[in-house]
Parts: sequence; C-alpha cells; structure tokens
Amino acid sequence: AQSVAQPEDQVNVAEGNPLTVKCTYSVSGNPYLFWYVQYPNRGLQFLLKYITGDNLVKGSYGFEAEFNKSQTSFHLKKPSALVSDSALYFCAVRDWNNDMRFGAGTRLTVKP
Amino acid sequence: DGGITQSPKYLFRKEGQNVTLSCEQNLNHDAMYWYRQDPGQGLRLIYYSQIVNDFQKGDIAEGYSVSREKKESFPLTVTSAQKNPTAFYLCASAAGDPQGGELFFGEGSRLTVL
Repeated sequence: AQSVAQPEDQVNVAEGNPLTVKCTYSVSGNPYLFWYVQYPNRGLQFLLKYITGDNLVKGSYGFEAEFNKSQTSFHLKKPSALVSDSALYFCAVRDWNNDMRFGAGTRLTVKP
Repeated sequence: DGGITQSPKYLFRKEGQNVTLSCEQNLNHDAMYWYRQDPGQGLRLIYYSQIVNDFQKGDIAEGYSVSREKKESFPLTVTSAQKNPTAFYLCASAAGDPQGGELFFGEGSRLTVL
C-alpha cells in the first residue's frame, strides 16, 4: 500500500525566511502527491498537487513543491514565510484505486 | 455554491448510543471518503467509496458503518462498538479518476462521548 512520511512534527521559522516542510513517499506505480493545510477546527484546504509533468509545482498562497523521484520526496517550500502561514500541513498520496493516505502532519510556526 | 456539507458540526453522545454523521456533496464527484483525526494526529481513513452502492474499508473501519445509496451522500454511523469514538471526523470527495486530482473536504464534525 502507498504511504507518505513527514519526518518533522514541528518546524519553526522566522517571518521573511524561507520555509521547507518535508515529505517522502512510498508507492508502487505513478505517484499522485498532494499538500494540504489545516487551521484549527477546520477542514483541510488544498495547496498543490503533482500528477505528472514538471517537477516543480506551484500552488496557492505562494507555496511550491519539488517532486524528486530519485529521493522519493515531495517537499513543500515557500521563499518568504508569513506569520499567517502558521498551521498544520499534511502531505498525501492517492493511488490508482482512489485510496488516499495522509502523513502525520507537520506543525509550522512562523515567528514575527 | 458547490462544496461539501457536514452536519452536525458538534455532537455529543452518551456511551452505548449509535450516532450518524451526515456528509453531502454537490460537486458531482464519484469518490467519497471518511477520515478520523485525533488531537495532534494525522488523518486515518475509515471508509471510502468509489461509486454508488460500493465502499471499501480503510485502516480503522471497526465500529463504524457507511452507506452510499446516492452519489451525493455518504453518511457515517459511529456504533456503540467503537471503543473510543471521541474525535474530529472529516468527510471528503473527489473525481473518480485519481488523475483528476485533489480531495475536497468538509468543515468536519466533532463528536464527544460523555
């Protein structure tokens, strides 16, 4: 079965600095990879996805992610963090059978 | 507006009672999902359905039941057999083709067992 791993429970960055939230995946076949953000007591909001094509994917709110097949990674990045980016971030993978699995989540804190 | 509606947003239940969480979508999506989220934890898949009258168990299906009689609706019943039902429940839907992309989520239902 496919899976994703988020190795960091918590990431802290200063406002204005670049941020990276890490994700690695394990799939058989082509990976369909996603990033979501969750604010307290809310559902998940979609940020970006990799289905096929360019390895650098651009998404909402200035976020981007780089698909790296050799390292089986799909790290989320942003050049300049905002305090309002503080939230819980989830990486996810969807397989050919529509099974969708999420990582454990990474809590991002951006300090002023 | 198109989207997913979950109800109720908050629900309290006494031990031994069954409770049903509603999930309705008007996005014309074939696939629908139920996830459970515990405090500080990730999402765990309970059930998912790819098409009407068909559904598959996820990782933590024990103590839960679902039905998919209509494309728009995928209700989740938390039965008394679920030993620790207090959690945040999230429903989602997606286009049937995995290459169609992302899941769309409702705002969640928070169940508390008293």
